[in-house]
This record gives sequence, structure tokens and C-alpha cells, in this order.
Amino acid sequence: DAGVTQTPRHEVAEKGQTIILKCEPVSGHNDLFWYRQTKIQGLELLSYFRSKSLMEDGGAFKDRFKAEMLNSSFSTLKIQPTEPKDSAVYLCASSFWDRDSYEQYFGPGTRLTVL
Amino acid sequence: AQKVTQTQTSISVVEKTTVTMDCVYETRDSSYFLFWYKQTASGEIVFLIRQDSYKKENATVGHYSLNFQKPKSSIGLIITATQIEDSAVYFCAMREVSSGSWQLIFGSGTQLTVMP
Repeated sequence: DAGVTQTPRHEVAEKGQTIILKCEPVSGHNDLFWYRQTKIQGLELLSYFRSKSLMEDGGAFKDRFKAEMLNSSFSTLKIQPTEPKDSAVYLCASSFWDRDSYEQYFGPGTRLTVL
Repeated sequence: AQKVTQTQTSISVVEKTTVTMDCVYETRDSSYFLFWYKQTASGEIVFLIRQDSYKKENATVGHYSLNFQKPKSSIGLIITATQIEDSAVYFCAMREVSSGSWQLIFGSGTQLTVMP
């Protein structure tokens, strides 16, 4: 089975631009997460979907960040407008929901640099 | 509030030895899952091992094992017979069962360097 796929792997944007990051979860997984990783803040949850429904939206990220799950096998994260402080690695993870188990499988991440 | 703390920023060991990485957590939930993940130099994050709060036995997978001390809210990761390729950042994470939130709360990570 293919793992979590993320594109692009690297993105460079000018301040004020709109960027869209893409994620394809593991086939059959019904939970999808977007995280941001920085050296200072570590791993922070941006959004969480279950079966395409938005379950949690990181409070600090509602302003310019919008995640969508267009179908069960594709999700996007839009940042609009970008700011230099958005420079980070954006990780997508998926999981198969089971009350007794909950390993998340991570994608390779997208490294975003905002100039 | 739920919180996961890893106080060891970095650890260096000689290969083939055993290393323990510490993690303490805070939760008001009586039922929760604890996880350890590994992030390699390439950035890939890989799930290693899980401990369910209701299980008394320490989980073991390959050369990874856990030291679960529930009264101390502690979940240590033990790597035996370390190898060079074990060099990575190790994250501890927790999920509460009944909080209504399904997200993982991660610690800040411990950088492990295994030297020849």
C-alpha cells in the first residue's frame, strides 16, 4: 500500500501569495490531520478531518489557514496570504479510526519558505 | 489540560548499547494511549510503539520497549543494541480517549545520536 503522499515537497513563496499544499492519505484511512512543525513550536495541529468532516481546527490557525477534504483520498491546505512566519514544514498524517488503536502515518512533509 | 514533556534535548550513546529516553505526561482522562515516533534526518516520521493505559504489561516491538510507570505518569522508551541508523529525533505523544479530541499531543522530542 502506498503511504501518505504530499506535494510539493518544497515550496517557496513571496509574502502575500496564496499557496496550496496537497495530501493523499493512505487508502482506506478515514482520519486526516494537518500539522505544522517548527523548531520552536514543535508539532502543532492545524486541522483534523474524520470521513471528510472537519472535526478540529487549530484555534491559532483559523485566520489564514484553510484545510479542505475534497474527497476521501485528497486534501488541501491553503495559506492565504502567506507571511514569513509561516515558513515551516507542513505534515499530513492519516489514520484508520479504531477505538482501540490510533497510530498515525505521516507523509514526507512540504517545506515552505516564505520570503 | 493534556501535556507531554520530554526533558532530554539530546542524548549520545555508543552503538550496541542500551538507551532510555524519558517522557512524562499530564492527563485527567483515565483512559489514554501513549505513542513513540521517530523522525529521521530526512524528515520522515515513523510510528514505533504504543502503550495502552489500561495494560500493565510494557509494550515491546523489536528492539524497542517501553517502561510504563502509570503512577508517575511516565512512559520511557528503551532501545537495546542501538545501531547507527537509530540516530534520529524521538517524539513521545499521547491521545486521550474520552476528551472528545482525537489529536495527538506531542512532546518536544529528544535527539538521539548513536556513535560508532
